[in-house]
Amino acid sequence: EAGVTQSPRYAVLQEGQAVSFWCDPISGHDTLYWYQQPRDQGPQLLVYFRDEAVIDNSQLPSDRFSAVRPKGTNSTLKIQSAKQGDTATYLCASSDPGQGLYEQYFGPGTRLTVL
Amino acid sequence: GEKVEQHESTLSVREGDSAVINCTYTDTASSYFPWYKQEAGKSLHFVIDIRSNVDRKQSQRLTVLLDKKAKRFSLHITATQPEDSAIYFCAASPQVVGQLTFGRGTRLQVYA
Repeated sequence: EAGVTQSPRYAVLQEGQAVSFWCDPISGHDTLYWYQQPRDQGPQLLVYFRDEAVIDNSQLPSDRFSAVRPKGTNSTLKIQSAKQGDTATYLCASSDPGQGLYEQYFGPGTRLTVL
Repeated sequence: GEKVEQHESTLSVREGDSAVINCTYTDTASSYFPWYKQEAGKSLHFVIDIRSNVDRKQSQRLTVLLDKKAKRFSLHITATQPEDSAIYFCAASPQVVGQLTFGRGTRLQVYA
């Protein structure tokens, strides 16, 4: 079974530029999470979906970040105008709690550097 | 909101010895406590979890202990092996699905 896939693996931007991250969760997993992991810190939840619905986006900086999962499968996280403080690894994870499986499966991440 | 603290930022043990990583949390509503491992250059991988209806859970060489009164939980690894070397993250959540609050991670080094 294929794991969670993410692209791109790396991105380098100037401040003010936009960037999109793409995630393909494990097939059949209805819950999808986006995390931001700054260097030497633990992941911090940005937003999570069940199917296509946003369940919690309270930690998403809404003025510059947006996330969608239109068909309840793949998801895109976008940063409209990047800042140096956005430098971090962006992780996507998925889970299938409907099957009583609560563990989250993480993708390899996208390492973003904002200059 | 919830805050999770991992008390050891680094831990170094001899191969075959035991390792213990300690975490505390602040929100009494937290009821789900998973642990994740991140090997060098790789993403996070689930290792074990515990729910608040029990105070101990074991899986092979891993044991998680939960003290709800002290709002503390710990990961015990016995008979450590070089492949246990990684960063270990503890996390807490008020429910099994949803917002996990992670600690900052503990770098475990197992040396021969």
